[in-house]
Amino acid sequence: QKEVEQDPGPLSVPEGAIVSLNCTYSNSAFQYFMWYRQYSRKGPELLMYTYSSGNKEDGRFTAQVDKSSKYISLFIRDSQPSDSATYLCAMSRNSNYQLIWGAGTKLIIKP
Amino acid sequence: DAGVIQSPRHEVTEMGQEVTLRCKPISGHNSLFWYRQTMMRGLELLIYFNNNVPIDDSGMPEDRFSAKMPNASFSTLKIQPSEPRDSAVYFCASNEQTDTQYFGPGTRLTVL
Repeated sequence: QKEVEQDPGPLSVPEGAIVSLNCTYSNSAFQYFMWYRQYSRKGPELLMYTYSSGNKEDGRFTAQVDKSSKYISLFIRDSQPSDSATYLCAMSRNSNYQLIWGAGTKLIIKP
Repeated sequence: DAGVIQSPRHEVTEMGQEVTLRCKPISGHNSLFWYRQTMMRGLELLIYFNNNVPIDDSGMPEDRFSAKMPNASFSTLKIQPSEPRDSAVYFCASNEQTDTQYFGPGTRLTVL
């Protein structure tokens, strides 16, 4: 079993829909949780960064961490075609370097 | 800032040839990471440098792979000899201590 599980998709939704992306993990020692967005033929770029449990909001994006369930989510409101990309979750125990990555979910927003 | 710079962006080579990938981290960043991304295995950390010193190379697949960081502004990842299974996108990333990792555009390597 992988330490971090993420459905690779693809997930296809119409423009304007609310998107929910998720990762589950097995290591309860993870404290730092990140979501990266990767456009085709580009490097991943950090989207959201959360420490420990709780919610964090940035514009149309909300990151949620539930450590009791070992489950993290990324919500995208009012989705746009420009949000079409692969979304990777990443997490670590106590430092930034030892990131454990999910497989990435390919998201397609249909106009 | 120009961001993390990688070269070449694309590399096509024949099995058995030596391949050298290059990376220039963001100025002021003291950590550098080399990753490999494939459809099958996703994103894998190959090696991590801190202050030009290799800290963790447990992800380097085998002795054919080597990485160097001679100074704070340059790193290389070398594959010798290359094999078709090395075909992947190789990313370099950098950060300041305990900060988020910033990725370069990647080098798409094809070994025929």
